Amino acid sequence: GAGVSQSPRYKVAKRGQDVALRCDPISGHVSLFWYQQALGQGPEFLTYFQNEAQLDKSGLPSDRFFAERPEGSVSTLKIQRTQQEDSAVYLCASSRQLANEKLFFGSGTQLSVL
Amino acid sequence: AQSVSQHNHHVILSEAASLELGCNYSYGGTVNLFWYVQYPGQHLQLLLKYFSGDPLVKGIKGFEAEFIKSKFSFNLRKPSVQWSDTAEYFCAVSRTGGGNKLTFGTGTQLKVEL
Repeated sequence: GAGVSQSPRYKVAKRGQDVALRCDPISGHVSLFWYQQALGQGPEFLTYFQNEAQLDKSGLPSDRFFAERPEGSVSTLKIQRTQQEDSAVYLCASSRQLANEKLFFGSGTQLSVL
Repeated sequence: AQSVSQHNHHVILSEAASLELGCNYSYGGTVNLFWYVQYPGQHLQLLLKYFSGDPLVKGIKGFEAEFIKSKFSFNLRKPSVQWSDTAEYFCAVSRTGGGNKLTFGTGTQLKVEL
């Protein structure tokens, strides 16, 4: 596609629910990143993939967060047993290569946990 | 771990005024530096970047930034702002060799008044 596509655009979940957030990167982009942006803050790194390999997941805040990219294209960020503190915008970004390449961001998924 | 500080959280300027947004980072090694911009209702996009070479970097829409290694700073400047520059601006840093794993500042909300 023309850009990085994320869905859903908005998600409201009840505390304790599981959610799945989808990212469609730009076709052919090798690297894919997930960031979490809380209200009034800058994006914070969660995890990244090079093709299907998850090379760094050091930013995932707890074991309730899980990301996958099984075929090296679409990625899903899953949050189990959501908590109020998980409320944030979840941003996906992709680039052609891992290093020194421009990151293209999606519009994000705004997650609200009630 | 690296960190980024943006000192101005909200800036209001009149059209044609000059702009300087501060950004300082903390990291002892070699870094790559970025400014990203998010216009209202749009996704994050790259404004300019510094990897090496001339410390004065020119980006899109008349923006420039200067890397001052001794001050760990990468301030963003524009001689004359326009109403269309109203946006949120994020400074970000990555370790050289660390790929595109970015650490962002908290952002500066710029409002340009007519």
